Amino acid sequence: DAGITQSPRHKVTETGTPVTLRCHQTENHRYMYWYRQDPGHGLRLIHYSYGVKDTDKGEVSDGYSVSRSKTEDFLLTLESATSSQTSVYFCAISGRDRVLDGYTFGSGTRLTVV
Amino acid sequence: TQLLEQSPQFLSIQEGENLTVYCNSSSVFSSLQWYRQEPGEGPVLLVTVVTGGEVKKLKRLTFQFGDARKDSSLHITAAQPGDTGLYLCAGLRPGSSNTGKLIFGQGTTLQVKP
Repeated sequence: DAGITQSPRHKVTETGTPVTLRCHQTENHRYMYWYRQDPGHGLRLIHYSYGVKDTDKGEVSDGYSVSRSKTEDFLLTLESATSSQTSVYFCAISGRDRVLDGYTFGSGTRLTVV
Repeated sequence: TQLLEQSPQFLSIQEGENLTVYCNSSSVFSSLQWYRQEPGEGPVLLVTVVTGGEVKKLKRLTFQFGDARKDSSLHITAAQPGDTGLYLCAGLRPGSSNTGKLIFGQGTTLQVKP
């Protein structure tokens, strides 16, 4: 009954390689978000989407791109991975009432760039 | 500079003790949310507060939104080991109600010892 799944759960990659993380939802929600979580920083917004092919940048978007070709899938790509992008990445969907409903998060992807 | 400052960042207490976690800002928010996160999982929404001065209770947890809608607190009465986890506050700025973009505090790690 997760409603939102992320893949892979863990990944180790080398510096300079491209990496794509996937977020899949079954809730048919319009708004989806990618955050990264680092100690001492909480969660910081990378990119978000408000519909198919409609995306916008968050506060830490440099080095990342996103795509949303279907309502259910939101992809995050690290164009050329760097060690500073080692982090835990969370995808979230927003409830229909974006003020009251809050987010439902996926279980996260732990990415290590070596 | 963190827009939402949580304190304390770490808290280790004995079972049965009371505690309060604070989430402070100099900015006004349309709503404040509290999430709890366990290791290896995404955050889970506990509560949303939207009205200045609002108090909400969830069993032994009491949440309050400041009168000026710039701060919030989470009070736990008679903490139990099951309360152990990372507590995150998140705010929705007035201009972000359409996009649902949340700003997160750094988090408070709570450890409750039996």
